[in-house]
Amino acid sequence: DTGVSQDPRHKITKRGQNVTFRCDPISEHNRLYWYRQTLGQGPEFLTYFQNEAQLEKSRLLSDRFSAERPKGSFSTLEIQRTEQGDSAMYLCASKNVVEYTDTQYFGPGTRLTVL
Amino acid sequence: AQKVTQAQTEISVVEKEDVTLDCVYETRDTTYYLFWYKQPPSGELVFLIRRNSFDEQNEISGRYSWNFQKSTSSFNFTITASQVVDSAVYFCALSEALESPALGNTPLVFGKGTRLSVIA
Repeated sequence: DTGVSQDPRHKITKRGQNVTFRCDPISEHNRLYWYRQTLGQGPEFLTYFQNEAQLEKSRLLSDRFSAERPKGSFSTLEIQRTEQGDSAMYLCASKNVVEYTDTQYFGPGTRLTVL
Repeated sequence: AQKVTQAQTEISVVEKEDVTLDCVYETRDTTYYLFWYKQPPSGELVFLIRRNSFDEQNEISGRYSWNFQKSTSSFNFTITASQVVDSAVYFCALSEALESPALGNTPLVFGKGTRLSVIA
C-alpha cells in the first residue's frame, strides 16, 4: 500500500492555458474523490467516481473542469482556459466502499498557481 | 444540509500545555460520520479518527482524545501535553450515510480548520 499519489505537486501556468492533474489512488480502492482547497479554507468537494463512473459533480465544477477515470484506476482532472480564481490546492482522495465503514485517504495535493 | 463549524481560527500554546479544538456540526441525517484530519505544512491531509453517530463513546489514542456529544452536536479534539510536532491545521469533517451500504457515504464536508501553533 503506497498511498494516494498526485502529479505534479506544483503547477504554475498563465491565465488561459489548460492544465491536467493526475491522481493514482490506493490500489483496489473503488471510489476516488477530487477536492479543492483555497487559502485559509477547508477542502471543498468537486466530484467523485465509483470505479469508472462519475457519480456526482459539485456546482463548483464549472464547464471548464472535466474529470475522468477511464479504467477505474487513476484519474485526471483537467482545467481549460484557467483563470486566476482557479489557483488552489487540488486534493485527491480514495477509499474502499465497504458498507459505511470507510475512510477517505488523501494524496499530497497539486498546488496550482495561475498567473 | 450538512455544515461543520470550527470557531477557533488559530490557537497558540506553549509546549506541554493541553489544548482542545472545537467542532460543531449540523446534519438532518440520523446516521453520519465525523472525522478529524491533520494538515501539516507539507499539505497532505492525514486521517486521525472516524466516529459513527451511533457510537458516543469517547476515544483516547496516546496524547489524543475525542469527545463526541450528540446532545450538543459537538466532536471536540484534545491534545494532551502538546508538542511542537503537533503544529498543523486541524480539520473536522462530516459525512452522511447514503440510502444503501453499497453507496457508502456522501462526500466529506469540512470545517474551515483550526491552525494550532505549539511553541517550544
